[in-house]
Amino acid sequence: GQNIDQPTEMTATEGAIVQINCTYQTSGFNGLFWYQQHAGEAPTFLSYNVLDGLEEKGRFSSFLSRSKGYSYLLLKELQMKDSASYLCALLDSNYQLIWGAGTKLIIKP
Amino acid sequence: DADVTQTPRNRITKTGKRIMLECSQTKGHDRMYWYRQDPGLGLRLIYYSFDVKDINKGEISDGYSVSRQAQAKFSLSLESAIPNQTALYFCATSSRDFDTGELFFGEGSRLTVL
Repeated sequence: GQNIDQPTEMTATEGAIVQINCTYQTSGFNGLFWYQQHAGEAPTFLSYNVLDGLEEKGRFSSFLSRSKGYSYLLLKELQMKDSASYLCALLDSNYQLIWGAGTKLIIKP
Repeated sequence: DADVTQTPRNRITKTGKRIMLECSQTKGHDRMYWYRQDPGLGLRLIYYSFDVKDINKGEISDGYSVSRQAQAKFSLSLESAIPNQTALYFCATSSRDFDTGELFFGEGSRLTVL
């Protein structure tokens, strides 16, 4: 079967760095995605990894290790507006997205 | 204006009532999806459509039906609503070229079934 795990909630300080982890188990893999979702709003696309390694996009970076079934989202220079839920999603062998429950990130001044 | 529009945004109804949630998009995408989101759970796929003549059940299709009236329109119906269908519903679209896997979501429809 398929399974995605990510922490339910994390707290970090404005200006700091935070790493949100996502582990998965799947029989087929076509990519891993990170979405951001502010409370009461729609998810918005952040990143896509299909090969191992780090993808950097401004203050946000996403890392993938396919052999370990592991990804993380790294947020640098945290701002209050980064307070949101971060959703990890796996694209399986049938090109269907399997979603994690999301990590609620709380930023404190 | 939003590229993916859902109506209504909020709806309160009673058990047994028929409800339709509508979705329209101006992105020109072939693929459209209906998801529901519940607290503590990941987004769960209800139905998806890869073009006007293609409708597929998702993970949790029981109690729901859909209609793809045109490339730009995809409606979700609850024939007889029940309280455990209380949730936040999202419509989403994606292009035929799924290289990046990016989904574009509507703003959501919050449904409460009493």
